[in-house]
This record gives sequence, structure tokens and C-alpha cells, in this order.
Amino acid sequence: KNEVEQSPQNLTAQEGEFITINCSYSVGISALHWLQQHPGGGIVSLFMLSSGKKKHGRLIATINIQEKHSSLHITASHPRDSAVYICAVREFGGGADGLTFGKGTHLIIQP
Amino acid sequence: DGGITQSPKYLFRKEGQNVTLSCEQNLNHDAMYWYRQDPGQGLRLIYYSQIVNDFQKGDIAEGYSVSREKKESFPLTVTSAQKNPTAFYLCASSTTGTGNYGYTFGSGTRLTVV
Repeated sequence: KNEVEQSPQNLTAQEGEFITINCSYSVGISALHWLQQHPGGGIVSLFMLSSGKKKHGRLIATINIQEKHSSLHITASHPRDSAVYICAVREFGGGADGLTFGKGTHLIIQP
Repeated sequence: DGGITQSPKYLFRKEGQNVTLSCEQNLNHDAMYWYRQDPGQGLRLIYYSQIVNDFQKGDIAEGYSVSREKKESFPLTVTSAQKNPTAFYLCASSTTGTGNYGYTFGSGTRLTVV
């Protein structure tokens, strides 16, 4: 079974800083998801990646399949970006038995 | 727009009562999933279903039950046998097979048992 590790576990930064959150996994995958969860709120899907890089607004997600590693970047961070960011992977073979999730990175952006 | 609807967003129950969480999707996805989140832990799989009238236990199925009578619906019942039912519950659905991959998440239900 895949092991998904996120770093850092907690991150506090000042508004405007460039943020990087990392995700590594142990077994080859067919897809990787980045999710956002606000305090007391639900889950929002940010990206689904199988290779390369995706960008949406100030968010950028990259994946390196050979190194089994993905990063989520936030440019010009803002207090509203404060949330838990979760990485999840889908293994080869369809993965119809579900995703494996990291424990999340708790991000606080201070004004 | 297609998506997953979980209701309610917040739910309170007394200890010893069964409670059913709703999950409905209109994406025509074959597979549906229930996950549980506890503080400081990653989401863990409770049950999943790849086809109507069939479902499989996940990693933490004890104290839970599900049904899949319709493709669109996958309700989760938290029974009184579940020792620590207070948690965040997330429903998801996906395509299956090797075709175009799609995975969609509900917004979750936060259950508090008092």
C-alpha cells in the first residue's frame, strides 16, 4: 500500500510570501490530487495531476513521476489561503478501491 | 452542473443512536466511496462500491454499514457499534477502468455525537 508523506506538517507565513507544500509517495501512481480544506469546512478539489504541471490562478501544482514527488505552490499568498492542504494518490490498476491520503499541511497566512 | 451532494453539512446525534449520512451523485460514476477524517490523521477508507448492489469494506469498516441500491446514491449508516463516531465524513465518486479518469469529492459531513 502506498505511503503518502507531506511536508511541512504546519506552515506559518506572511502575506505575499511564496509557499511550497511537498508530497512524496512510495509506490507508482496513475494520478495525484491536491485538495483544500478550510477550518470547519468541506473539501475542495484543487488539482488532479498525472504528469507535468498545472496552474490555476495563484496556485501551481507539479509532479515528478520518476522521483515520486509533487509540489503545490502558492504565489502572492493571502490570508484567505489559510487552510489544510491534502495530497492524495490513486494507484495503478484503476485504484477503484480508493485513494491514499496524506495527513495534510496546515497553512496559516498572517496579514 | 454535475457533482456530489452530501447532506447535511453538520449533524448532531445522541450516543447510542444510529445515523445515516446521505451521498448523491449525478456524474454517472460507477464507483463511490466513504472516507473518515480524524484530527491529525489522513482520510481513511470506510467502504467503497464499484457497482450497484455491491460494496466492499475499506480499512475501517467496523461500526458502519452502507447500501448501493441505485447508481446515484451511496448512504452511510453510523451504527451504535461505532465506538468513536464523531468525525468528518467525506463521500467521493469516480470513473472505473482505464478510460477517462474522473474523481469528484463531496463537501463532507461533520458528525458530532454527544
